Amino acid sequence: QKEVEQDPGPLSVPEGAIVSLNCTYSNSAFQYFMWYRQYSRKGPELLMYTYSSGNKEDGRFTAQVDKSSKYISLFIRDSQPSDSATYLCAMSRPLMDSSYKLIFGSGTRLLVRP
Amino acid sequence: DGGITQSPKYLFRKEGQNVTLSCEQNLNHDAMYWYRQDPGQGLRLIYYSQIVNDFQKGDIAEGYSVSREKKESFPLTVTSAQKNPTAFYLCASSPVWPHMRETQYFGPGTRLLVL
Repeated sequence: QKEVEQDPGPLSVPEGAIVSLNCTYSNSAFQYFMWYRQYSRKGPELLMYTYSSGNKEDGRFTAQVDKSSKYISLFIRDSQPSDSATYLCAMSRPLMDSSYKLIFGSGTRLLVRP
Repeated sequence: DGGITQSPKYLFRKEGQNVTLSCEQNLNHDAMYWYRQDPGQGLRLIYYSQIVNDFQKGDIAEGYSVSREKKESFPLTVTSAQKNPTAFYLCASSPVWPHMRETQYFGPGTRLLVL
């Protein structure tokens, strides 16, 4: 069983729709939760970073963490064609040498239709 | 502009050949990382380095080698021992404590293809 599960999609929505992207995880040691956006053939770009359970909002993006259910979500309001990309969830846990290890989901491909 | 640069964008490897991927950052980050990304899979950690002249194996280090002679540079060599090297390689770095050292920032990637 993978430590982080993410539906690969593709998820196709019309422009203006609210998008919900989700990940589940199995390791309670995860402390920090991130969402990255990756356009085709580009490096991932950090979108959201959260620590505690609850919601964090940044413009059209809202990240939600439920540690009790081991479930995180990313909501995109008023989706735009430029949001079409692969969205990767990532979770970090500390290592023995005081560094952190990121575990990534496999990514959900999102297509926003004009 | 601060950021992470990777070169080349595309790299072709012949059988039995070692190739080196470049990664440079001017963000003053201490930690640097190399990941491999295959279609439909998440990123997998190859090597990471917290400080100059020190590095640690990640989950899939076999067939790869790294060096960290300068804080700004973390080159990755794909050796002939890596039998399936075709992938997208991503370099990342982390800020210094206490600023969000749990996060990582990525370069644009190098696509390696085998001839």
